[in-house]
Amino acid sequence: GENVEQHPSTLSVQEGDSAVIKCTYSDSASNYFPWYKQELGKGPQLIIDIRSNVGEKKDQRIAVTLNKTAKHFSLHITETQPEDSAVYFCAASYSGGYQKVTFGTGTKLQVIP
Amino acid sequence: GAVVSQHPSWVICKSGTSVKIECRSLDFQATTMFWYRQFPKQSLMLMATSNEGSKATYEQGVEKDKFLINHASLTLSTLTVTSAHPEDSSFYICSARQRDPPYEQYFGPGTRLTVT
Repeated sequence: GENVEQHPSTLSVQEGDSAVIKCTYSDSASNYFPWYKQELGKGPQLIIDIRSNVGEKKDQRIAVTLNKTAKHFSLHITETQPEDSAVYFCAASYSGGYQKVTFGTGTKLQVIP
Repeated sequence: GAVVSQHPSWVICKSGTSVKIECRSLDFQATTMFWYRQFPKQSLMLMATSNEGSKATYEQGVEKDKFLINHASLTLSTLTVTSAHPEDSSFYICSARQRDPPYEQYFGPGTRLTVT
């Protein structure tokens, strides 16, 4: 089955700086890669996703890149704000998300004001 | 955006009793819902995939007789933890997948179960 590794497990940045979270996946059949933000005591919220037919996607301060050859993808958050503090999970799925998603281990991001 | 609700948001029960958790897609139809379990400071672990009108598919190591799943309609799935024990205490999260492409999954807010 699919295995998703995520690094780092914790990340502290100063407000305004950028944050980068990296993930690798094992199953070359995976073609859908969502990123979720989870605040304490809440369910995950989809913040951005990318499919295997594109290499990069941006949404305001958030961007995701995908390298299919190397089987890794990354989340980039620019101009970080205190409200970005949360746990972020990457995930992978095949069949365009029709099948189950496999989650990474999570990154706790702390943005220091 | 699509909204998924869970009820209750938290529950405390005594060891040996059963607890039912509901997952509802409020503004879309979901032929498939997923049930996850999350321990503190850990990732989400898929327990089972719930398909409307058919039996759920359980992940390896998940006891289907202990975690009963019913997906009676396109907007409702239930998870019943039977004969709960303290080790079943966890955060249970459901997600609902859109019926049509792009098949995005939306997560519920989770249910905190504490078994005393």
